[in-house]
Parts: sequence; C-alpha cells; structure tokens
Amino acid sequence: GENVEQHPSTLSVQEGDSAVIKCTYSDSASNYFPWYKQELGKRPQLIIDIRSNVGEKKDQRIAVTLNKTAKHFSLHITETQPEDSAVYFCAGTTSGTYKYIFGTGTRLKVLA
Amino acid sequence: EAGVAQSPRYKIIEKRQSVAFWCNPISGHATLYWYQQILGQGPKLLIQFQNNGVVDDSQLPKDRFSAERLKGVDSTLKIQPAKLEDSAVYLCASSLVSDLKYFGPGTRLLVL
Repeated sequence: GENVEQHPSTLSVQEGDSAVIKCTYSDSASNYFPWYKQELGKRPQLIIDIRSNVGEKKDQRIAVTLNKTAKHFSLHITETQPEDSAVYFCAGTTSGTYKYIFGTGTRLKVLA
Repeated sequence: EAGVAQSPRYKIIEKRQSVAFWCNPISGHATLYWYQQILGQGPKLLIQFQNNGVVDDSQLPKDRFSAERLKGVDSTLKIQPAKLEDSAVYLCASSLVSDLKYFGPGTRLLVL
C-alpha cells in the first residue's frame, strides 16, 4: 500500500527566513498531494494541494513542488512569521480511491 | 455552511470499557473518514465510507473497533474493549467528491 515519509520531524527557522518540508511517496499511482497545517489542539487545515499534472503551485507565501519521477513533493514557506508555527502534514492519495495517507508531520517553530 | 460535527469532545474511560463516538458530516458529503491521531503522529485512516458502504477498513482493528454509517449520513465508531494504546484523538472528516478539506473538531480519548 501507499507509504508517505516526511522530513524533517522538527524545523526551527528565524522569522523572515524560508522553510522547506519534504515528503516522499511509494505508490506511483498517487496523483493528488495536499498539505495540512495543524495548530495545537485543533483540527488539520488544508493549506495547499497539488495534482500530478502540475509541477508547482503557489499561493502567496506558500508553494508546493512535485517531482513525479523521484516521487517526492515539498512545501515551501517564504518570509516565515510566528503564526506559521504549527505541525505540518503532507498526504497522498489516488483519484481512484481517495484513500488519504498522511506523513508523520513536521513541527515548525518560527523564532521571533 | 455547517461543519463536521463530532461528539463527545472528550472522553475518559478505563481499559476494557467500551466507548462510542458520533460524527455528523457536512450535508451532501458522500465520503466519510475516521482517522486516529496519536499524540505526535500523523492521522491514521481507520475506515472510509462512500455513502453507507465501506471503501477501506484495512487498518481498522476489527477485533475491538467497529463503525457504521446508517443511511449514508451520520456515523458511529465504537471501541470495545478499549486498551491503553487507544488513547488518541479520533477525527472524522467528510468530502463531497475528492478533496479532504473538512475535518471535525475531534474526540480526545484517554484510556486509563
């Protein structure tokens, strides 16, 4: 079955710097990759997603890139702010099943 | 629109007791998911429903966990008997077609 690995598990950056979180997936049939932000004690919130027919997608300070050949995708956050501090999860699924498999999470700390 | 509702929000039980969680998805959403999120880990899919049929329950510990979705709307997840390792947040999510965007607030279970 699908397996999604996520790195790093923790990431600390200075306010204003960029943060990059990487995920790799095992199922070559996976074609949709969402990213979630989860603040302490709250539910996951979808922040950006990418489909396999696109190599990159950007929404203001966040962007996601996808390398289908290498089977990995990354979340990029630029000009980080303290409110970006949270746990970020990647996920992967196929359009046939919509069975979402989550990564293990990255705890991002933005230091003021 | 109203979001995904879950109850109870918190539950404390002793091991070997039974417990049930309830989820009311967004109106019209055909797909309903139950995820288990252990502290510090990513959400793990327990069961996925499409209307009132089970799409995937491969990671549901069927000797103690059961779930149903009557009439393709509300769903209940039951644990009987509970073990210490079942302590987690149980997240319900629903989807109209494919995007996993709407999560409930979760039920936080503590098994003593």
